[in-house]
Order: sequence, then structure tokens, then C-alpha cells
Amino acid sequence: AQTVTQSQPEMSVQEAETVTLSCTYDTSESDYYLFWYKQPPSRQMILVIRQEAYKQQNATENRFSVNFQKAAKSFSLKISDSQLGDAAMYFCAYHPGGKLIFGQGTELSVKP
Amino acid sequence: GAGVSQTPSNKVTEKGKYVELRCDPISGHTALYWYRQSLGQGPEFLIYFQGTGAADDSGLPNDRFFAVRPEGSVSTLKIQRTERGDSAVYLCASSSGYQETQYFGPGTRLLVL
Repeated sequence: AQTVTQSQPEMSVQEAETVTLSCTYDTSESDYYLFWYKQPPSRQMILVIRQEAYKQQNATENRFSVNFQKAAKSFSLKISDSQLGDAAMYFCAYHPGGKLIFGQGTELSVKP
Repeated sequence: GAGVSQTPSNKVTEKGKYVELRCDPISGHTALYWYRQSLGQGPEFLIYFQGTGAADDSGLPNDRFFAVRPEGSVSTLKIQRTERGDSAVYLCASSSGYQETQYFGPGTRLLVL
């Protein structure tokens, strides 16, 4: 079965510091996509970053970057220069095509 | 439209009643998805449409749940004989294709009393 595991239910970071959120997944597929979504209290799921499994280069979007280790089936999210607006639930998602399979989420708090 | 829209934002109903939740996808997106998110959990897949047809309905929990997309745009998720366990946020997403990025609506919070 394809599963996604986020082992950190809660994380905290000081404003302007860096934090890394962990995600592992299980699949026998070789072609797939991975995503990080952010869900603030408004409950709207917002795309943070996308990674294609066939690409060795790690995706980057401004302050957000990933560490994608395909052999280890690991997909962590690094947030640099954390801002108060980064506080939210973060979900890792595996996408073989069609449906997304989500992890349980990590709640990130940002301290001023 | 500019983004995925869902109506209503909130719905309160009584056990045993019928409810309909609506999703209006991003204009031109051929794929539409429904997910259910229980409190403190990640979203769980319900059903996926490609055009007018349901390409994957493996996530529908039982035959009380049904969804349609008759013209390949707006979709309606229908829940019959609602139960308290159906209380959750129902999220809709759309994408331009099978492996493309999914963009989410704001969700409908359903409360069954």
C-alpha cells in the first residue's frame, strides 16, 4: 500500500530561523510526484512546492526548498528565514497520478 | 474562475438528512477531485473525475455517497441518510490533467447533529 508518514506532529521555529519538516513515503512506483501543501486556519490548502521523482535536482521556491532522497523515499521541506505567516499545518503528499495521498500533517508555529 | 470555489462554506444538518455539496473548478481544468478531512487528519481521497466520468471512485466510503459532474465542469457531492460520522471538511480540487498539480477550494465544513 502507498503510504505517507510525517513523524513530527508539531514543530516550532523562531522567526527568521530555519526549520525542516520530515516526510517519508512508501511506494513501488518509479514515476510519481511529491508535494508540500500548507493549510492555515482558513483551511484553504495552498501549494508550497512540487517535486518530480524523475528529477534529481531538488525543487526550490523562494524560501522553501526540499531534500528529495528517492532511494530512501524521503522528502523533507526546509523553510528558511521563517516568517509569522508561515505558521500553519503542513502536509506532505504523494501523487502517482490521479489521487493525492496525504500524510497526517505537521503543525508549525513561528515564535516572534 | 480564478480559483476553485465551494458552496456552502458551512452546512449543519440533522442525522438522516440528505445534503449536497457543490464544487466549481478552475476554468478549463478537466480533472476534479473530492477529499474528506476529519479533524486533525490529512485529507482522504473520495473520488476523481476526468471530464464527466468518474475515473476513480475507490475512496467513497459506502453507497450513501455519490458524486456527479454532468457537464464536465461543476461537480456535486451527494450524501444520503447522513450520519454523525460524516462530519468533516469536504475539500474539492481541480487540475489540468492526470498528473498535474491540484489546486484546492476552501472546503465545506459539514456538521451532522
